[in-house]
Amino acid sequence: GAGVSQSPSNKVTEKGKDVELRCDPISGHTALYWYRQRLGQGLEFLIYFQGNSAPDKSGLPSDRFSAERTGESVSTLTIQRTQQEDSAVYLCASSPGQYTGELFFGEGSRLTVL
Amino acid sequence: AQSVSQHNHHVILSEAASLELGCNYSYGGTVNLFWYVQYPGQHLQLLLKYFSGDPLVKGIKGFEAEFIKSKFSFNLRKPSVQWSDTAEYFCAVNAGRAAGNKLTFGGGTRVLVKP
Repeated sequence: GAGVSQSPSNKVTEKGKDVELRCDPISGHTALYWYRQRLGQGLEFLIYFQGNSAPDKSGLPSDRFSAERTGESVSTLTIQRTQQEDSAVYLCASSPGQYTGELFFGEGSRLTVL
Repeated sequence: AQSVSQHNHHVILSEAASLELGCNYSYGGTVNLFWYVQYPGQHLQLLLKYFSGDPLVKGIKGFEAEFIKSKFSFNLRKPSVQWSDTAEYFCAVNAGRAAGNKLTFGGGTRVLVKP
């Protein structure tokens, strides 16, 4: 597709369950980013991939959060044993390999933990 | 680590009014600065960016922003808003090539333009 694609767009889960969120970046974009946006707040950086490696995962809030990327393409963000405070919109963005400073965002996955 | 603060959380104004949204950042080194916009039901998109050169940058839809290095500010302006400018606006900072394209965002400002 032409843009960054995220799935699911909406996910409602029970506390304690694991969830997996998927991001398909723009074709050819080597950099991929995950952000979290809680209700009424700004974007919180989680992790950044350059190719398949993650040079910066400083924003992952706990060891319940993990992310991987395969083949310089799809990335999955996994949240284990979800808590109510994990409820947020999870945004994925990608950018070309050369430095431009511009991120291209997907529409996000809205996670609600009951 | 850099941080970004946006002074107003909500702004309500009428069409044709002028808009100015404040943004201040804290980072001692060279920065690249951005404003992103999220229209209702749409994804975040770039409004304008500053890397170097003329500190007054122009973006899409009549928006402009001025980088004032001494004040660590990058305020967004539009002389005359339209109803279609209703959106949430985010200021963002990047600490240059060493940070990749990682952006640090402010908390956002919701702008409501009344017709």
